[in-house]
Order: sequence, then structure tokens, then C-alpha cells
Amino acid sequence: KAGVTQTPRYLIKTRGQQVTLSCSPISGHRSVSWYQQTPGQGLQFLFEYFSETQRNKGNFPGRFSGRQFSNSRSEMNVSTLELGDSALYLCASSLEVGPKNTEAFFGQGTRLTVV
Amino acid sequence: GNSVTQMEGPVTLSEEAFLTINCTYTATGYPSLFWYVQYPGEGLQLLLKATKADDKGSNKGFEATYRKETTSFHLEKGSVQVSDSAVYFCALNFHNAGNMLTFGGGTRLMVKP
Repeated sequence: KAGVTQTPRYLIKTRGQQVTLSCSPISGHRSVSWYQQTPGQGLQFLFEYFSETQRNKGNFPGRFSGRQFSNSRSEMNVSTLELGDSALYLCASSLEVGPKNTEAFFGQGTRLTVV
Repeated sequence: GNSVTQMEGPVTLSEEAFLTINCTYTATGYPSLFWYVQYPGEGLQLLLKATKADDKGSNKGFEATYRKETTSFHLEKGSVQVSDSAVYFCALNFHNAGNMLTFGGGTRLMVKP
């Protein structure tokens, strides 16, 4: 079956712009989580959505937001981009949440460069 | 808060050498523990996991045992291959925090032929 699909793979934006990243989870998976990966801060949790509701949110400013649609696809948006937002953004798809869940499957990521 | 500490890399080994990557955690309670691997240009793949104390996770020759007394989950492999070259991440999760994973900083492994 198809894996987690993130689009686009690469993106270059200018400071002050906004950007929207997309994630299509594995078919049947209802939980989508987003992570930011940078050389300095490593992998940091952004937020998690399950059945269109945000369940958890990491310690990021309000410029970072997300949503999940009824088909479980998710988008994250970053407004007023800063140079420090340059990172690899990873999406993870899970079947369920809590003890019933088994593992998170990651997409290949979207490489965002802010210039 | 919860945190995961891994040994800094890179770790450079010759093929067929023994591998250990140390991982310790700080958490209130007993989380599930994971090792993920990231190959160049790829996302993360789950390598193995353990959900309770003394559990041993294993996959593709890699092993790690959940040690509650030392809050550790060290990754080991008896004989590494060039194809094992990647970045390895230790992570923890609490079920009451949904699927949120807290990751260590990652350890780059380089295996030379």
C-alpha cells in the first residue's frame, strides 16, 4: 500500500511569506503528526491531529498552524516566514492513538528553505 | 519535562564490528521506547520498540532492552554492514500524549568497508 506522501518535496520562500505543506497519510490512518527537523534543534514535535481535531501541540509560535480534513489529509501552514524556519518538515501517520496504536510511519519530508 | 539523550556522533566503524549507541531518558512514569533510523534523503523508519520494562525489541539484527533501573535503551548490533550507515534516533512516547514522540538528537553511524 502507498506510504505517507508529502508535497512538495522542496520549497524556497522569501522571508515574510507564508507557506502551506501537505501530507496524505496511509489509507485508513486517522492520526497525523508533524515534526520540524533542523541541525541545531533536532526533531521537534509541532502538532498532532486525529479525526480532524488537534490533540497535541508542541512549543512553537502561533505562526505555525495546521488542520486535518475529513479524509485524514493534513496541511500545515507557516505565516510570516523567518530564516530560522528553514528545516525539513516531516509528517507521520498512525492508525490510532493511545495503546491501540502500533507505530508511526514517516513521509520523506518537505525541505523548506527561507531566503 | 521528558527528554532523551543519545551519544554524539559520528560513530565510525569497520564492517562486521560491534555497534552500541547509548540512549538514556528522563521521564515521569514509564514510556514506550523506540529506535528510528533515517537514511540519506529519507524520512524516519521504525527500527524497533519496547513498551515496558525488560522488554527487548529486535529487528534486522539490531536489539535494545528497556532498562527501567538505568532509564536506558541502548541500541546494539553484533556485526554492522555498510548498508547500516544512517542516522539513528532514540525516542519515547506516552500513550496519554497521543502519538507525540520525543526524540534524542540522533547519532550518525558510518560503516566503512
